[in-house]
Amino acid sequence: TQLLEQSPQFLSIQEGENLTVYCNSSSVFSSLQWYRQEPGEGPVLLVTVVTGGEVKKLKRLTFQFGDARKDSSLHITAAQPGDTGLYLCAAPTDSWGKLQFGAGTQVVVTP
Amino acid sequence: GAVVSQHPSRVICKSGTSVKIECRSLDFQATTMFWYRQFPKQSLMLMATSNEGSKATYEQGVEKDKFLINHASLTLSTLTVTSAHPEDSSFYICSARAGPRGFQETQYFGPGTRLLVL
Repeated sequence: TQLLEQSPQFLSIQEGENLTVYCNSSSVFSSLQWYRQEPGEGPVLLVTVVTGGEVKKLKRLTFQFGDARKDSSLHITAAQPGDTGLYLCAAPTDSWGKLQFGAGTQVVVTP
Repeated sequence: GAVVSQHPSRVICKSGTSVKIECRSLDFQATTMFWYRQFPKQSLMLMATSNEGSKATYEQGVEKDKFLINHASLTLSTLTVTSAHPEDSSFYICSARAGPRGFQETQYFGPGTRLLVL
């Protein structure tokens, strides 16, 4: 069973547009992470959010953790072709830190 | 930042042979390493958790006799796919964590190993 539901599965936009990716669950998490993965490479950690209601910004990327710590969103402003990739949310499922990943959102930004 | 390497980056083998994949933490000691498998257009699925000096813990549905994991040192874990078959073809990714504090410790991911079994 997928604890983390990501939407949409696929997003294709033009350079300069904005986009939002969602990660939802019925479970409460102590923290949640967002990764970006490019073809043939391992995922790269973008951010970890730990506090309900927390908002973190990384240049043009804004990450939000829901007040109840059950959901999160990633918003990209003025997307660029370099933002193309598979965006994955992940959360620890036990005290040992085993990560459960969402199914991922494939983002394609065309020039 | 912490670096995790994997070797080889890609491997092609014949059905029935065994393949060993190495995962190394280059600039930190990893008390725990994780092995994931990723099929095309799918997400990462955890296969097993490996703690240095102890037996690996496998996720449900993962055959421990087929996917042998050895975490012999604080910087090296190996995954051996025994008697590989075409359905084992996948992208295998490891991650390493430095400390014992579970979810509070960041996992650093390797670049992955592409396995193709003919």
